[in-house]
Amino acid sequence: DAGITQSPRHKVTETGTPVTLRCHQTENHRYMYWYRQDPGHGLRLIHYSYGVKDTDKGEVSDGYSVSRSKTEDFLLTLESATSSQTSVYFCAISDRGDGQPQHFGDGTRLSIL
Amino acid sequence: GESVGLHLPTLSVQEGDNSIINCAYSNSASDYFIWYKQESGKGPQFIIDIRSNMDKRQGQRVTVLLNKTVKHLSLQIAATQPGDSAVYFCAENKGGSEKLVFGKGTKLTVNP
Repeated sequence: DAGITQSPRHKVTETGTPVTLRCHQTENHRYMYWYRQDPGHGLRLIHYSYGVKDTDKGEVSDGYSVSRSKTEDFLLTLESATSSQTSVYFCAISDRGDGQPQHFGDGTRLSIL
Repeated sequence: GESVGLHLPTLSVQEGDNSIINCAYSNSASDYFIWYKQESGKGPQFIIDIRSNMDKRQGQRVTVLLNKTVKHLSLQIAATQPGDSAVYFCAENKGGSEKLVFGKGTKLTVNP
């Protein structure tokens, strides 16, 4: 795969707890993305980053925050997890942003009870 | 608004047959399209892409066709194999946008 590692791969937690998911890349790509994947909805963009400390919202950003303090790491935080945030989360990277494919990690399965 | 959809949620074919997976898009400003394959428990994997200045692009056993007149995209898989069983997504990108818009996916099942 394209040098993308997501951690943890699985997590179960309780409503109201904070959760942080990590995406690490070894490709030195500028763009990084966080998606969630739910049945019937396909892949939906949560947040993305176009450089260190440069981030922007996607279509389902409420309840999520992100940080990118270095090129290789992009963190997704659920400040106070809710059951509606139970999902599979995917990180993707891209070198240029537009006109190029994004390459995906293998996902984090998050269950919030 | 922007949307990418798929005509069929499931497709079942016999091993060795050709498969065709369809996708409709609504944003006429989209100029770049991608097909992804997603196997169970894994992330989407890039298969092939096409830009709007082309009608057809071929890869190894796969062909993507783009019909801009009716805003339709298709993925053809030749001599489908059991390893091709997966969910296939199309995605579109509008020129200058850093974001992809994904369809909901078609599940392809290849019967031996």
